[in-house]
Amino acid sequence: EVQVVESGGGLVQPGGSLRLSCAASEFTLSTYAMSWVRQAPGKGLEWVSVICGSDGIAYYADSVRGRFTISRDNSRNTLYLQMNSLRAEDTAVYYCARGGGTGCNVALDNWGQGTLVTVSS
Amino acid sequence: DIVMTQSPDSLAVSLGERATINCKSSQSVLYSSNNKNYLAWYQQRPGQPPKLLIDWASTRESGVPDRFSGSGSGTDFTLTISGLQAEDVAVYYCQQYYSSPFTFGPGTKLDIK
Repeated sequence: EVQVVESGGGLVQPGGSLRLSCAASEFTLSTYAMSWVRQAPGKGLEWVSVICGSDGIAYYADSVRGRFTISRDNSRNTLYLQMNSLRAEDTAVYYCARGGGTGCNVALDNWGQGTLVTVSS
Repeated sequence: DIVMTQSPDSLAVSLGERATINCKSSQSVLYSSNNKNYLAWYQQRPGQPPKLLIDWASTRESGVPDRFSGSGSGTDFTLTISGLQAEDVAVYYCQQYYSSPFTFGPGTKLDIK
């Protein structure tokens, strides 16, 4: 069964760093676009970042550009989100989601259960 | 950036009746070279991650009941749920994947009347 499982969330102080992981099962992560989407408590979905399957090019939301970095380890079949200079407004459940194809311009057809990141002193 | 709006913010529909949710993009998400609309609909039940219902504005994902249908083109789109079931209570989001950032609409909360 195709599956993605996030980990790495937790409580971090403002200005701190955290790295999220997303382990993929039953598919080769590098051949799909992979995205991070977040949801603040009681709020809607916010797209964060994508790494394209074909060429590995990454794109970011304005709210995280320069602070977050998406990457993947093909040998581990795992996606990462390195989050630096964290702010209170980054508090959210972070979902890893697979794109429905290799290119970046695809819908998200498989989602993990999410991992909660809380930024607070 | 493409801004996505949805209407209504919430609605309540009786079991077995039709629910209609609208989504509008601030610019066209129709790619002329392949005549495809880069628009998806997701369902998020309480306490659950989102689930893809429809992509390319009108293509239902495998396993999605046929009471869910998507329509529209360019900047105006509609998700229709015909014959509402209790398990359809959820928040529904549209998303454009035409250009980065791949923005979501604010969501429409659907309840049973």
